[in-house]
Amino acid sequence: GESVGLHLPTLSVQEGDNSIINCAYSNSASDYFIWYKQESGKGPQFIIDIRSNMDKRQGQRVTVLLNKTVKHLSLQIAATQPGDSAVYFCAENYNTDKLIFGTGTRLQVFP
Amino acid sequence: KAGVTQTPRYLIKTRGQQVTLSCSPISGHRSVSWYQQTPGQGLQFLFEYFSETQRNKGNFPGRFSGRQFSNSRSEMNVSTLELGDSALYLCASSPVGGTQTQYFGPGTRLLVL
Repeated sequence: GESVGLHLPTLSVQEGDNSIINCAYSNSASDYFIWYKQESGKGPQFIIDIRSNMDKRQGQRVTVLLNKTVKHLSLQIAATQPGDSAVYFCAENYNTDKLIFGTGTRLQVFP
Repeated sequence: KAGVTQTPRYLIKTRGQQVTLSCSPISGHRSVSWYQQTPGQGLQFLFEYFSETQRNKGNFPGRFSGRQFSNSRSEMNVSTLELGDSALYLCASSPVGGTQTQYFGPGTRLLVL
């Protein structure tokens, strides 16, 4: 499958635990943020998004938190499952269709 | 609704050749963006097309080009291939562009020998 970085930071969690994946974004003017999940052999899959006028947004088992003061984004996954194992990317956008991606974090879920 | 489709899925070329990759966006989506994904550089933006016009371009050499057709389908072309062009090329579509969610296809894996 795709290797999106030989030295990706890796988060290892036990099945059933909560996972928190962090991302620092680069442009203070960015107003739209997306989390993507990429499994081996597949393209990035949309998980959840948030606009800069919000601090928190919840989806099914996932929550995104945005801290504009320190340009930080986090993705929380509740009750992590083996199927959550993948590489997770944050992406930022400012008024264009050019998404700027972070380097990615590999999430490994063990039983 | 069918997702973004990309053809071919895998491709092997030799240095100096050229290649054309194809992307069909989600029905109704008019914006198509292309990205290159490599282990060393991660996901990098190539260009974006909307209504057959290139609206945004990333920092890639002129060997990388693209176009969009009236049905929103898009192609990208890489001429005079180099070993470093080996990558996963991803296409993403969104309804009308701007700060909207982009949906990705499975990618075309290009290997340059």
